[in-house]
Amino acid sequence: KAGVTQTPRYLIKTRGQQVTLSCSPISGHRSVSWYQQTPGQGLQFLFEYFSETQRNKGNFPGRFSGRQFSNSRSEMNVSTLELGDSALYLCASSLPNSGGAQETQYFGPGTRLLVL
Amino acid sequence: DAKTTQPNSMESNEEEPVHLPCNHSTISGTDYIHWYRQLPSQGPEYVIHGLTSNVNNRMASLAIAEDRKSSTLILHRATLRDAAVYYCILRDSYNNNDMRFGAGTRLTVKP
Repeated sequence: KAGVTQTPRYLIKTRGQQVTLSCSPISGHRSVSWYQQTPGQGLQFLFEYFSETQRNKGNFPGRFSGRQFSNSRSEMNVSTLELGDSALYLCASSLPNSGGAQETQYFGPGTRLLVL
Repeated sequence: DAKTTQPNSMESNEEEPVHLPCNHSTISGTDYIHWYRQLPSQGPEYVIHGLTSNVNNRMASLAIAEDRKSSTLILHRATLRDAAVYYCILRDSYNNNDMRFGAGTRLTVKP
C-alpha cells in the first residue's frame, strides 16, 4: 500500500500570499489530521477531518483552514501568510476504529513552507 | 490535557538496550500511552502504545508503571537507524485524533 503523500514537498511564498497544501491518505483511511512543526513550538495539532467534516480543531487562528473531499483527500489553506507560518506541515491519516485513542496515525513526509 | 515529561536528550551505544522514560503524573484512567518517533527529515512514525499492561512488538517494548504515572520505552538493541526524536503522548478516548506532542527525547546512537 502506498503511504501518505503530500504535495508539494517544498514551497516558498511571500508575506500576505495564501497557500494550499494537499494530502492524500493511505487508501481506505477516512481520517486526516494536520500538524505544524516549528523549531520553537514543536509539533502542534491544527485540525482533523473525518468523512468530509472537521472533527477536531487545535488552537490556530482562522487564517488556517482545511477541507476534505469525498475520496478522503484533504487540503489545508493558509491565507495572509506571516513570517511565523514558516514550518513543516505534516499530514497524518488513520483508519477509524471504535476506539479513537487506539488509532495509529500514519504521517506523510510533510510540506516545508518558507515565507519570505 | 494530561502532559508528559521526557528528558531532552539521551545517548546510547549501538547494540545496547535503551530505556527512554516518560512521566505522566496527571494521566487519567482513559488515557492511552503512545510512543512515536521522528527520524531526520521524515514525519513521525508509530512505535507502540498501551493502556495498563506492558506491551511488546517487533520494534520495542513498553513498560507501564503500576500507578500509570510513568512509562518506559525499551529498545532492546539500538541501531544507528534508531537515532530519532521519541515522543511520548497521552491520547484521550474522547479527543479522537488530536495528538498533543511534547518536546520529545532526542536519542543519539554511537557506533
